[in-house]
Amino acid sequence: EPEVTQTPSHQVTQMGQEVILRCVPISNHLYFYWYRQILGQKVEFLVSFYNNEISEKSEIFDDQFSVERPDGSNFTLKIRSTKLEDSAMYFCASPGTGDRSYGYTFGSGTRLTVV
Amino acid sequence: GQQVMQIPQYQHVQEGEDFTTYCNSSTTLSNIQWYKQRPGGHPVFLIQLVKSGEVKKQKRLTFQFGEAKKNSSLHITATQTTDVGTYFCAVDYNFNKFYFGSGTKLNVKP
Repeated sequence: EPEVTQTPSHQVTQMGQEVILRCVPISNHLYFYWYRQILGQKVEFLVSFYNNEISEKSEIFDDQFSVERPDGSNFTLKIRSTKLEDSAMYFCASPGTGDRSYGYTFGSGTRLTVV
Repeated sequence: GQQVMQIPQYQHVQEGEDFTTYCNSSTTLSNIQWYKQRPGGHPVFLIQLVKSGEVKKQKRLTFQFGEAKKNSSLHITATQTTDVGTYFCAVDYNFNKFYFGSGTKLNVKP
């Protein structure tokens, strides 16, 4: 089974600090997504990334968030100035087979704790 | 944003009992997906339904897509403790992102 790899698994940061979450999606996929899940709540869409550009973003994905592809295989989600309410699990996801017919494969997530 | 309602929020069953979760949308869906998330884990894709009235089975799991493509259900027959987790539906309104339902948390008592 192809895997989506996320690092770190857990990040603790002080309020106001910048964090960078990393993901290596399934290779050769054009689409890539970030979701977040506040503890005990539903999985919320943040942003979709297609062909090296943001395709769509939610109202959660405000100016403090950014997505980059620093090299051919890695994607990052940057939160510039973290707030307490940014504490959540952050998941990246790739389509299962290169199109959206077979569901998303999620990474194991990064648990972000803002203190 | 688009909303999909999922009920119930919680379900506690005795091992061996059946379980059903429902997902409802006010608008017609192009497709619907179901995911399972174990406690402390990440969502894992179970299935996608595309056709009106479609029924798919995976062992003890039965997935249905309504005739009007506005609702869907996941039914588990004879639950086992391994079925514990939260089951989410996810809907794709514009082929660009999936919206997840609020999930149904299933607890199975041995």
